[in-house]
Amino acid sequence: KAGVTQTPRYLIKTRGQQVTLSCSPISGHRSVSWYQQTPGQGLQFLFEYFSETQRNKGNFPGRFSGRQFSNSRSEMNVSTLELGDSALYLCASSSPEQGRDYEQYFGPGTRLTVT
Amino acid sequence: GQNIDQPTEMTATEGAIVQINCTYQTSGFNGLFWYQQHAGEAPTFLSYNVLDGLEEKGRFSSFLSRSKGYSYLLLKELQMKDSASYLCAVSSTGGFKTIFGAGTRLFVKA
Repeated sequence: KAGVTQTPRYLIKTRGQQVTLSCSPISGHRSVSWYQQTPGQGLQFLFEYFSETQRNKGNFPGRFSGRQFSNSRSEMNVSTLELGDSALYLCASSSPEQGRDYEQYFGPGTRLTVT
Repeated sequence: GQNIDQPTEMTATEGAIVQINCTYQTSGFNGLFWYQQHAGEAPTFLSYNVLDGLEEKGRFSSFLSRSKGYSYLLLKELQMKDSASYLCAVSSTGGFKTIFGAGTRLFVKA
């Protein structure tokens, strides 16, 4: 089974621009979570989607948004980029199998650099 | 609020045993995760504890005390490849979200 894939792997953007990141979960997984990882703050939860619905979100400004499609693929968008948005953005999917829905599988991440 | 504390760095010798502690304060606790993350790579799942006690999985064991808000990850027979960051994370009931600690960087020396 293929793992979680994220595109693009690396991205360089300028302040004020917007960016869209994509995540394809493991086949059959319906839950997708997004995280931001920086050296100073560690891994921070952005939001979680299940069956196209956002079930929870972290403490990030409204510039950060996401969505999930019917095939469980997910995208996150960051508008009006700031220098502080430079980070590794990770997505993780989990299985709907009962008793294993806690086990998250992470993708390789998208490294975003804002200049 | 929610808070997770773990040591920033630890160093241990190949073949030895190391214990990485994690304390947490959270509302609506559901379970506690441990993840391993090598530099430049994504985190990989190690364990998930819901009930108090020790769970062993090969060279790795994880312990949880819900009443004390405390967990530890025990790594036995350390190998050089165990040099990585170890992330403690808590999931909250009904929240569908996982809060991570800052991670503990473990250095294994020969």
